Amino acid sequence: DAGVIQSPRHEVTEMGQEVTLRCKPISGHDYLFWYRQTMMRGLELLIYFNNNVPIDDSGMPEDRFSAKMPNASFSTLKIQPSEPRDSAVYFCASSSSHWGQHWGDTEAFFGQGTRLTVV
Amino acid sequence: AQSVTQPDIHITVSEGASLELRCNYSYGATPYLFWYVQSPGQGLQLLLKYFSGDTLVQGIKGFEAEFKRSQSSFNLRKPSVHWSDAAEYFCAVTNNAGNMLTFGGGTRLMVKP
Repeated sequence: DAGVIQSPRHEVTEMGQEVTLRCKPISGHDYLFWYRQTMMRGLELLIYFNNNVPIDDSGMPEDRFSAKMPNASFSTLKIQPSEPRDSAVYFCASSSSHWGQHWGDTEAFFGQGTRLTVV
Repeated sequence: AQSVTQPDIHITVSEGASLELRCNYSYGATPYLFWYVQSPGQGLQLLLKYFSGDTLVQGIKGFEAEFKRSQSSFNLRKPSVHWSDAAEYFCAVTNNAGNMLTFGGGTRLMVKP
């Protein structure tokens, strides 16, 4: 597997524009997570899905943020309208809840992130 | 609620010296603990993890970590640091379902020649 794939790697947009970040999890993983990383706040969990269903979106900062997972192989994080304070690196991660031969086989695999700059 | 504290924001060590990065966690039940490394411009790579059993865990790149329940700590160690170890290191804790990974603030490691 190629790992978790995020696109684009870099995005520069003007304030007020809509931004869509994309993520393809590892095949077979049933959990998908969106994180945001900033200097001030570190790594924050925004939302996570289990079997394509959003489970906890308490980390989503505002209504301007929305996330979808229409199928097991694709998720989007949308910001509309974008603001300069949304500038950050956004990471997608996936994991499997299935027990391996030994409990503890699960771990979260991260994509390389999307660096978003809103000017 | 679970939380992770990494007391050291920056650490500088000389190449070849030993390293210890501190991590303290707060979690009501048996924690599942991880160390991730992030190189500049890259995603997070898992170094090692602890779920149960031996409290001294070996990871990749010569790293190890020791779980100490009495101190709520999971410090990362390496006997001899290489220049390529310069990166940011994150400690994380999750619940036993593995679906609420909470990260510490990270420790940025710099290596002097």
